[in-house]
Amino acid sequence: GPKVLQIPSHQIIDMGQMVTLNCDPVSNHLYFYWYKQILGQQMEFLVNFYNGKVMEKSKLFKDQFSVERPDGSYFTLKIQPTALEDSAVYFCASRRNTEVFFGKGTRLTVV
Amino acid sequence: AQSVTQPDARVTVSEGASLQLRCKYSYSGTPYLFWYVQYPRQGLQLLLKYYSGDPVVQGVNGFEAEFIKSNSSFHLRKASVHWSDSAVYFCAVSAGTGNYKYVFGAGTRLKVIA
Repeated sequence: GPKVLQIPSHQIIDMGQMVTLNCDPVSNHLYFYWYKQILGQQMEFLVNFYNGKVMEKSKLFKDQFSVERPDGSYFTLKIQPTALEDSAVYFCASRRNTEVFFGKGTRLTVV
Repeated sequence: AQSVTQPDARVTVSEGASLQLRCKYSYSGTPYLFWYVQYPRQGLQLLLKYYSGDPVVQGVNGFEAEFIKSNSSFHLRKASVHWSDSAVYFCAVSAGTGNYKYVFGAGTRLKVIA
């Protein structure tokens, strides 16, 4: 079936550095999402993105976070600067119609 | 706003026994409801979904769930569990309109013992 690919699967970054998480959504999908899952907890909505714009963001989507999809390529989540509490698994998702497809996540460890 | 409650953080059942994982949601409109399974260090795998129609929906690997509107519930069931069913199960609700944002429950960790 359709797959959302997330690269890399695991990333370790020094606190204060910038990190970009990459998501390759399903090819004809138009709506994109990021969710955050702290170890052992539920997934929580961060942001959704459509037609080049953020449509909705949660309170977890701090000012240090940004998203973009330049030229229809990867859908990215950038964190600048990173903080220890940003350590989590970040899941990308995409959809065209009603069904949302999730990637396998990128485990971000901020040290 | 939507919310999901999974009241059981951990459930332990014997292999071959039946299973019910509970999920209650809160949403004023017509919900889209989902059950996902997450194996260790893996992504989410969709087990089943309910949009409309028959309130009992069948999913993969023998799972089913029943939408009971009067009770705002969408419990997951399986007649006979296998050790490989050990995982974390998440219930989720979406408005089904607008941005289709998903709201997840806290998850139920299922352990199947011999």
